[in-house]
Amino acid sequence: GENVEQHPSTLSVQEGDSAVIKCTYSDSASNYFPWYKQELGKGPQLIIDIRSNVGEKKDQRIAVTLNKTAKHFSLHITETQPEDSAVYFCAAVPLYNQGGKLIFGQGTELSVKP
Amino acid sequence: DTGVSQDPRHKITKRGQNVTFRCDPISEHNRLYWYRQTLGQGPEFLTYFQNEAQLEKSRLLSDRFSAERPKGSFSTLEIQRTEQGDSAMYLCASSLRGGGAGELFFGEGSRLTVL
Repeated sequence: GENVEQHPSTLSVQEGDSAVIKCTYSDSASNYFPWYKQELGKGPQLIIDIRSNVGEKKDQRIAVTLNKTAKHFSLHITETQPEDSAVYFCAAVPLYNQGGKLIFGQGTELSVKP
Repeated sequence: DTGVSQDPRHKITKRGQNVTFRCDPISEHNRLYWYRQTLGQGPEFLTYFQNEAQLEKSRLLSDRFSAERPKGSFSTLEIQRTEQGDSAMYLCASSLRGGGAGELFFGEGSRLTVL
């Protein structure tokens, strides 16, 4: 089955700097890669996603890149702000999985210091 | 609020007791998922429904766990004879998708503590 590895587990940056979180997946047939942000005491919330027919997607300060050959995808946050502090999860959905079940990475705790 | 609603938000119980969690998905969503999340880990898939049919169950879902979605609307997750290892956040999510993958909308979760 699909396995998703996420690095780093913790990341601390200064306000205004960029943050990059990386994930690798095992199933080359995976075709959907969402990123979720989870604040303390809340459920995960989708912030951006990318499908396997696209190499990069951007939404204001966040962007995601996908390298299908290497089977990895990354989240980029530019001009970080204290409110970006949260736990970020990557996920993958294998092509065979018509139910849309997400396989999550282990999470990255991002801390943005003012 | 028209998001995914979960109840209760917190449950403390003694080992051996039964607990039940309820999830009300976004009204037009036909898919409903249950995930379990332990501290410092990503959510782990437990089971999912398409309308009232339970289409997939993880091996994490032991015989003590049962989930239902009787009318294709709300769902319940029951844990019988709770064990300390069941302590976790139980997350419910819903989505509207005819096939393949789409955005999952998560609730705030139900935190279970087994003493």
